[in-house]
Amino acid sequence: EVRLVESGGGLVQPGGSLRLSCATSGFDFSSYDMNWVRQAPGKGLEAVAHISSDSATVYYADSVKGRFAISRDNGHSSVYLEMNDLRDEDAAMYYCARGGSRWSPFDYWGQGTLVTVSS
Amino acid sequence: QSVLTQPPSVSGAPGQRVTISCTGSSSNIGAGYDIHWYRQLPGAAPKLLIYGTRSRPSGVPDRFSGSKSGTSASLTISELQAEDEANYYCQSYDISLSGGVFGEGTKVTVL
Repeated sequence: EVRLVESGGGLVQPGGSLRLSCATSGFDFSSYDMNWVRQAPGKGLEAVAHISSDSATVYYADSVKGRFAISRDNGHSSVYLEMNDLRDEDAAMYYCARGGSRWSPFDYWGQGTLVTVSS
Repeated sequence: QSVLTQPPSVSGAPGQRVTISCTGSSSNIGAGYDIHWYRQLPGAAPKLLIYGTRSRPSGVPDRFSGSKSGTSASLTISELQAEDEANYYCQSYDISLSGGVFGEGTKVTVL
């Protein structure tokens, strides 16, 4: 069974940092690209970061470029999102999702981890 | 504002057919990139419903179908059921943004 479990969310002040983790199991992690998708309360989905299976290629939405960094550890079947200089508008549920390439569907999603940005 | 435009809401009675549109441009749908559709129930993570414009993952009933024409795509739910009440999102790849993009989402209400 494919499983993706996010962790690391919480309350952080504006300008602060958080590191999200996504632990996976049930598939050959090293063969799949991975993604982070966020959803602000009551809003739609936004793809914020993508990393290729071999970490050679990364992509960031303009809204987070220069502040967020995606990485992965194929040995531990995990993907991470380092978030710095957090802003009010970064408050959202953050999901990790499995994909094949940047234009492939996200076929499995985690349950999400909530990031709250507030002073 | 998303590069993929969806109607905020659609509704129908049980058993009726509803269609959700997803309008893009020549840098995404019109460039030939596939469309994927997701369903999100309240309080839950999104779930893949249609991939590659018209293919269904295992377990998705054939009441759900997808199509594409030009710079637009559509998701059709035939024989609407109460459990179809959810938010639906389209997704594609945008070559000018070099990344995946989602539509704003459409809330389906079963009357």
